[in-house]
Order: sequence, then structure tokens, then C-alpha cells
Amino acid sequence: GESVGLHLPTLSVQEGDNSIINCAYSNSASDYFIWYKQESGKGPQFIIDIRSNMDKRQGQRVTVLLNKTVKHLSLQIAATQPGDSAVYFCAENNGGFQKLVFGTGTRLLVSP
Amino acid sequence: GAVVSQHPSWVICKSGTSVKIECRSLDFQATTMFWYRQFPKQSLMLMATSNEGSKATYEQGVEKDKFLINHASLTLSTLTVTSAHPEDSSFYICSARLLRDYPSYNEQFFGPGTRLTVL
Repeated sequence: GESVGLHLPTLSVQEGDNSIINCAYSNSASDYFIWYKQESGKGPQFIIDIRSNMDKRQGQRVTVLLNKTVKHLSLQIAATQPGDSAVYFCAENNGGFQKLVFGTGTRLLVSP
Repeated sequence: GAVVSQHPSWVICKSGTSVKIECRSLDFQATTMFWYRQFPKQSLMLMATSNEGSKATYEQGVEKDKFLINHASLTLSTLTVTSAHPEDSSFYICSARLLRDYPSYNEQFFGPGTRLTVL
């Protein structure tokens, strides 16, 4: 469904820790999911994607897990760095409509 | 690759004037571009889908006469905010869809955004 929020949930971690950001999606027909990173005043930056026929995908320091049973998506960031501080959005694509619907976002704060 | 630019990056205008924002795919052709609006501390909300050579498809609640979209070429889409009012002040972001071989997935690359402030 559409995403509206008055404030962003925040995850605070120490540098070097692993971070896990969660996202619940709404449409069981969604076939493609993307995680984006957005720094203040900038557009979203692609991090990693996953298709609905997969349950895990790994990138450099990032892993996305997809649980279609409970419609849950997570982004794991290994050895979190201060440069990872940003707002992270998940987005789902309903293949029939070819539109991305964004989650509410999570702010990640990494302390040195 | 897959770079999208926007111009201007920020604009301040008086109430009642019109503002045009450009979105360009720099190193690929995009038959489909998208326009989003983002209010502070909120998520991206899709405004419209811009298709090259045809009319844009607007989301429910978005006034097509107020937000004019033109997708004249495979690398350029423009959004014109007509008769802007202070409530139109927002961060406008475009994206361009990169089509890959079948199966085609909706992989979108985003521009840096345009901050519009209407006085």
C-alpha cells in the first residue's frame, strides 16, 4: 500500500556493528524488491534488489532477505560505517502495474 | 552507468508562477520515467508515470493540469508545476527505468532531486 509517515523510525548502531533494517510489504503479488539509500538532500541510491523467486541475495557488505510467507524484507549491512548513515527505503514492485511503492523508511545512525 | 540528472537542483519562485524541472537519463535511453514528490521526513510518493511519445499516467489525487509532464525524447522528461503555491513546496525526484532482458524488472535509477520552494 502507499506509505505515509510523520516521522522515521531510527536505528542507532556503533561503527563496526552489523545493522539489520526491516520492511513489511503489503502486496503478495509483488515480484521485485529493491533497497535504496537516501542521504539528506539527495535522490535515492540503489543498493541491492531481489526477485520474488529468491529468498536471499548478497552484495558487497549487504544482504537482502525475503520472506514471502510473512511479506517481510530485511537489509543487513555488515561492519557498518559512518558513511552508511542515511535513510533506507524498501520498495516493492507489482509486476502488473510496474510501479514502485516505497516503504516508510528507516533512518540509520552510525556512531564512530 | 545508469546516471540520471535533474535540473535545477533547487528553485525558489513566487506564488502563482510556473516552474519547469528537467530529468535526463545521461547514458541510457528511458522509455519510461517517473516523477515522485517527497515531503520532509516522509517517503517518496509517486505522482505520475511518463512515457515517451504518449500522455503521462497520473496517480490518484494528482492534478494533471497542475503538474504538466512532457516526455519528448528517450532521454528527457519535464515536469512543470503551474501556478505554484506554497503547499507545492517539496522535493521532486525523477527516476528512469532501465529495461533489461526478459524477464523485465522495474529497476529504476533516481535523479538527485529538485528542491522547490514557493514563497
